[in-house]
Amino acid sequence: AQKITQTQPGMFVQEKEAVTLDCTYDTSDPSYGLFWYKQPSSGEMIFLIYQGSYDQQNATEGRYSLNFQKARKSANLVISASQLGDSAMYFCAMPWSTGFQKLVFGTGTRLLVSP
Amino acid sequence: GAVVSQHPSWVICKSGTSVKIECRSLDFQATTMFWYRQFPKQSLMLMATSNEGSKATYEQGVEKDKFLINHASLTLSTLTVTSAHPEDSSFYICSASDRTNTEAFFGQGTRLTVV
Repeated sequence: AQKITQTQPGMFVQEKEAVTLDCTYDTSDPSYGLFWYKQPSSGEMIFLIYQGSYDQQNATEGRYSLNFQKARKSANLVISASQLGDSAMYFCAMPWSTGFQKLVFGTGTRLLVSP
Repeated sequence: GAVVSQHPSWVICKSGTSVKIECRSLDFQATTMFWYRQFPKQSLMLMATSNEGSKATYEQGVEKDKFLINHASLTLSTLTVTSAHPEDSSFYICSASDRTNTEAFFGQGTRLTVV
């Protein structure tokens, strides 16, 4: 079974600085993917970035990038140039073995960006 | 990107009544939909998988008679919380996948409060 661990319940960062949110995972599948979602206080889940286990390069999407270290089973999210609007819950997730679109989520990290 | 609309966004109901939550895929056919539940300050937990035209598959510990799921068309799945109790108060969020099954798109979520 898949398992996602996010060890940081909360993180603080000053505006314009970079922040790294940690995510480790455990799976026996040879091929898998990792997702990061942002959940603002309104509740919707906003897709941020995806990394496939066989992707040669770390994924990047604008200010978001993934520090994917397969050997360490970690997929940390790096947010560069933090903005006040980045304050939210962030969840790391990966598909269940049986379905790519059915997700197992980590416990989340609450990010607060201060002026 | 694909749009999933969930309605209502919030609802308050009396204990003992039933509440129906709708999840619609607006611009694609959703062969599979997923219903998640999120308690305050916790992660999303998968409740059930809804397949168009067939019975839903419930995760362990989820009462299928309490959480009725209907996926009668390729664009609509409904979750009915029957005989709601205060402990059912939670955030319910759906996701939908198209025939390619490569990604799931989330609705906005429904915040249910049972008084």
